[in-house]
Amino acid sequence: EAGVVQSPRYKIIEKKQPVAFWCNPISGHNTLYWYRQNLGQGPELLIRYENEEAVDDSQLPKDRFSAERLKGVDSTLKIQPAELGDSAVYLCASSLQQGLGMTAFFGQGTRLTVV
Amino acid sequence: AQKITQTQPGMFVQEKEAVTLDCTYDTSDPSYGLFWYKQPSSGEMIFLIYQGSYDQQNATEGRYSLNFQKARKSANLVISASQLGDSAMYFCAMRGSNTGNQFYFGTGTSLTVIP
Repeated sequence: EAGVVQSPRYKIIEKKQPVAFWCNPISGHNTLYWYRQNLGQGPELLIRYENEEAVDDSQLPKDRFSAERLKGVDSTLKIQPAELGDSAVYLCASSLQQGLGMTAFFGQGTRLTVV
Repeated sequence: AQKITQTQPGMFVQEKEAVTLDCTYDTSDPSYGLFWYKQPSSGEMIFLIYQGSYDQQNATEGRYSLNFQKARKSANLVISASQLGDSAMYFCAMRGSNTGNQFYFGTGTSLTVIP
């Protein structure tokens, strides 16, 4: 079974440019997460989806960040325009909806560098 | 609110020795799950072990065991017989019954195994 797939793995852009990240979760996983991980820190949630619905986006900077999960499967996270402080690793994860013991499975992340 | 604290930014261990990575947590949820993840330099978060708050016994998975002390709100990871491949970042995370599918992460501990 394939794991969580993210693309691209690396992205370098100039500030003020747009950028998009793509995530394909594990088949059958209802819950999809986007995390941002700054250097030397733990992941911090940006947005969580249950199927197609964004149920927690309180930490998403909505002035420049947007996300969508069409048909409750793949998801895209977009930044427009990017700022220098957006340089980080963006991790996508998925899990089954029910059960405290259900772990989240993570993709390899997209390392964004804004110059 | 949930909070995970990892107070050891970096740890060193001799190959074949055991090492304990500390994790304390704070939650008001009546039940919760505690997770440990390993993040090698490749970036992917790898699930290691899970402990439920009502589990009577400490969790074990191969060389990994979790020293769960509920009254102290601690969930330390013990790695026995350390191997060079264990060198990585280690993150403690929690998922609470009242916060649905949200995972909260600590800041991580960098483990270096010395040959």
